[in-house]
Amino acid sequence: GEDVEQSLFLSVREGDSSVINCTYTDSSSTYLYWYKQEPGAGLQLLTYIFSNMDMKQDQRLTVLLNKKDKHLSLRIADTQTGDSAIYFCAETPAFTGGGNKLTFGTGTQLKVEL
Amino acid sequence: KAGVTQTPRYLIKTRGQQVTLSCSPISGHRSVSWYQQTPGQGLQFLFEYFSETQRNKGNFPGRFSGRQFSNSRSEMNVSTLELGDSALYLCASSLSPSDSVDTQYFGPGTRLTVL
Repeated sequence: GEDVEQSLFLSVREGDSSVINCTYTDSSSTYLYWYKQEPGAGLQLLTYIFSNMDMKQDQRLTVLLNKKDKHLSLRIADTQTGDSAIYFCAETPAFTGGGNKLTFGTGTQLKVEL
Repeated sequence: KAGVTQTPRYLIKTRGQQVTLSCSPISGHRSVSWYQQTPGQGLQFLFEYFSETQRNKGNFPGRFSGRQFSNSRSEMNVSTLELGDSALYLCASSLSPSDSVDTQYFGPGTRLTVL
């Protein structure tokens, strides 16, 4: 079955790097995603990685995928106060045939302190 | 280009009532998905519509239903409301289910409170 887990809370100082971790169980996952949710807002897609890739970098964001351990991480370089939000990892099981049925993790609350 | 629009943004209902939520996708998008977000269960997939047809359905009781119109706007309905239906209901749109992954956009959600 599908199960995606994340740690609940992370606190970092402004300017430091943040690393948010996620583990998943569905070995047939095709795409893995990171979403950001700010208070009172919907979900913003930050980045995604295809399951045959190990790493993807997009400006301050670096995604690492360890498919053997089913571990996904999101590194945010030079973390700013505006990065404070809840971060969700999500996966698309291969059988859906498309990208719209997402299984989300529990979410990690990132707090950036001055 | 306008984003995904959800109406109403906030709703208060009592147990036993029914409710209809609306989602207008981004212009040109034909696929709409619905998700329920609660503190206890997190984000859970409800259903997905494409070209007026339900394409995927999550593990929710039959009280939860939806539909899509010819202009791609979608509605979801919850009948016989229960306290546990209190949640943020999120809608997402994309060009089509098989389109590239980065074209799925979420709306701000409808906050439903059941008293």
